[in-house]
Amino acid sequence: SQQGEEDPQALSIQEGENATMNCSYKTSINNLQWYRQNSGRGLVHLILIRSNEREKHSGRLRVTLDTSKKSSSLLITASRAADTASYFCAVTQGGSEKLVFGKGTKLTVNP
Amino acid sequence: DAGVIQSPRHEVTEMGQEVTLRCKPISGHDYLFWYRQTMMRGLELLIYFNNNVPIDDSGMPEDRFSAKMPNASFSTLKIQPSEPRDSAVYFCASRGDTKGSYEQYFGPGTRLTVT
Repeated sequence: SQQGEEDPQALSIQEGENATMNCSYKTSINNLQWYRQNSGRGLVHLILIRSNEREKHSGRLRVTLDTSKKSSSLLITASRAADTASYFCAVTQGGSEKLVFGKGTKLTVNP
Repeated sequence: DAGVIQSPRHEVTEMGQEVTLRCKPISGHDYLFWYRQTMMRGLELLIYFNNNVPIDDSGMPEDRFSAKMPNASFSTLKIQPSEPRDSAVYFCASRGDTKGSYEQYFGPGTRLTVT
């Protein structure tokens, strides 16, 4: 069953704007990860945030985690056309290494 | 490192035929994962191995699917007999066992079409 549910399903913005994607999950987690998938390619890991962390930065990426609301957000600042891709959140729970993915947000950045 | 290698990249087969997908994980990685991606169901974990041992195969759809990892550098996912509903992109991913390192490295995928 799906754990991470991304919102919105699709997002279209202009180059230079910020893009925010949200993810909600159902049960307690060990960590939450964000991945990017370009069309026709495999997934690429972007950033991981642990359950005891609230915010994390990596370059133009900012991830927040609110365990009380069981939600996370991914912010991409100053977007570029090359950021066009699908973005997925994924969670691990308990003692399992199993990553459970959401269905993703399709981001289009228009030049 | 060449990353995770999958073959073939594309496979078209007829219903009832046996299909074998192959994966070479990143050298030194102890975990190997097989995923299936479809528009309807998204990305689903089928099975994962740790040190060549299957740990969780609860995502394998049915007995037609089987996976093996005979050594640390090779894994196969077999579908026998194949059905049109098996059409999907199948990904292999691997990760190391370093404490605190949870990111998975994905291969380019195998696009399977069963007619």
